[in-house]
Amino acid sequence: DIQMTQSPSSLSTSVGDRVTITCRASQTIRYYLNWYQQKPGKAPNLLISAVSSLQSGVPSRFSGSGSGTDFTLTISNLQPEDFATYYCQQSFSSPYTFGQGTKLEIK
Amino acid sequence: EVQLVESGGGLVKPGGSLRLSCAASGFIFNNARMNWVRQAPGKGLEWVGRVKSKTDGGTTDYATPVRDRFTISRDDSKSTLYLQMNSLQIEDTAVYYCTTELGGYYFDSWGQGTLVAVSS
Repeated sequence: DIQMTQSPSSLSTSVGDRVTITCRASQTIRYYLNWYQQKPGKAPNLLISAVSSLQSGVPSRFSGSGSGTDFTLTISNLQPEDFATYYCQQSFSSPYTFGQGTKLEIK
Repeated sequence: EVQLVESGGGLVKPGGSLRLSCAASGFIFNNARMNWVRQAPGKGLEWVGRVKSKTDGGTTDYATPVRDRFTISRDDSKSTLYLQMNSLQIEDTAVYYCTTELGGYYFDSWGQGTLVAVSS
């Protein structure tokens, strides 16, 4: 199985900050890397697919980059509604696997 | 608008069985790959398994912890996805979500989830 390692596991940050979350795959996954946002008590929501493709309705302050095994999610100008948990997920091969999550907390 | 509504969750004893359903609407269910993803209380997301569309072979794949115990199936005539869970273990306690793969290899729509609690 492909292991996905996210870092950091949590981050204390402030409104207006720029945040970078990293995700590393245990083997190459080409561009099959997706990012989800989850707020407490809610289902996850797809933010970015295929490394950098922003889903409809997702603000442009979210961006994704990377290739092969190393990927990043960047949130610029953090807004109050962005405080949530973020997960990366690989869909290169079955079994699909998620990173362990990164929780953004208000400083 | 895509809608996914899970049902069938509840409290079950270790070793028991449960069947979850996911009623889908707002898209052509027959053509969709469908997945189950779960989340244990306070933990991260874990992919459970997937069923492809019949035109894509209709095959299933499972995560290692549930292989041989869980079975995913679909009834295209009812636009409904199922998850049959047998030999349930305490570690299977989680919210179970059904998700679609409509646009590509990613989970683009999610249901609200249904809670399965395995406890004696």
